[in-house]
Amino acid sequence: EIVMTQSPATLSVSPGERATLSCRASQTVSSNLAWYQQKPGQAPRLLIYGASTRATGIPARFSGSGSGTEFTLTISSLQSEDFAVYYCQQYNNWPPLTFGRGTKVEIK
Amino acid sequence: QLVESGGGLVKPGGSLRLSCAASGFTFSDYYMSWIRQAPGKGLEWVSYISSGGSTIYYADSVKGRFTISRDNAKNSLFLLVNSLRAEDTAVYYCARGYGPGNSNWFDPWGQGTLVTVSS
Repeated sequence: EIVMTQSPATLSVSPGERATLSCRASQTVSSNLAWYQQKPGQAPRLLIYGASTRATGIPARFSGSGSGTEFTLTISSLQSEDFAVYYCQQYNNWPPLTFGRGTKVEIK
Repeated sequence: QLVESGGGLVKPGGSLRLSCAASGFTFSDYYMSWIRQAPGKGLEWVSYISSGGSTIYYADSVKGRFTISRDNAKNSLFLLVNSLRAEDTAVYYCARGYGPGNSNWFDPWGQGTLVTVSS
């Protein structure tokens, strides 16, 4: 099973600032990585797939990068609606499909 | 759109049948998964079923207790959950699988149905 490790667990950022979230895989997942956003009381929403391709309707301030075992989700200028929990998920070697434990982006 | 139903309060050892009604896309063209989230915790993939239903996978934590199925004529996905334990308490989401080849990311997700296992 591929273990996904996200850091930090919590990120405190001021509105308008840049946020950088990390996701590390226990073995290579190539570019087969997705990112999701989850707000309280809501289902997760797909942000990024293929490590760097934005899903339909996702603003350009969200960008993904990386390959192999190290990945980054960057939010260039945080808006109020971006404060949420973010999860990475690998789909390179499955089953099982595995998620990281999430990074909570909170208002500083 | 995906809409789950069937959750509720059940005693340890009990059973439930979760349903997911799909609309707005050709259901029979897509593989589907169930994913759960325990209260205050992260996401855990539970089960996968291919578009035609011939290929099925389960997480080790539910293998032998949960059964996934689908009815393409009724645009519906199901999860029969048996021998429930306290640690199965979670919101259960259905999600459409997407991606070429062996890729499998999830988009969209349903709103979830809560299963609570307690005596």
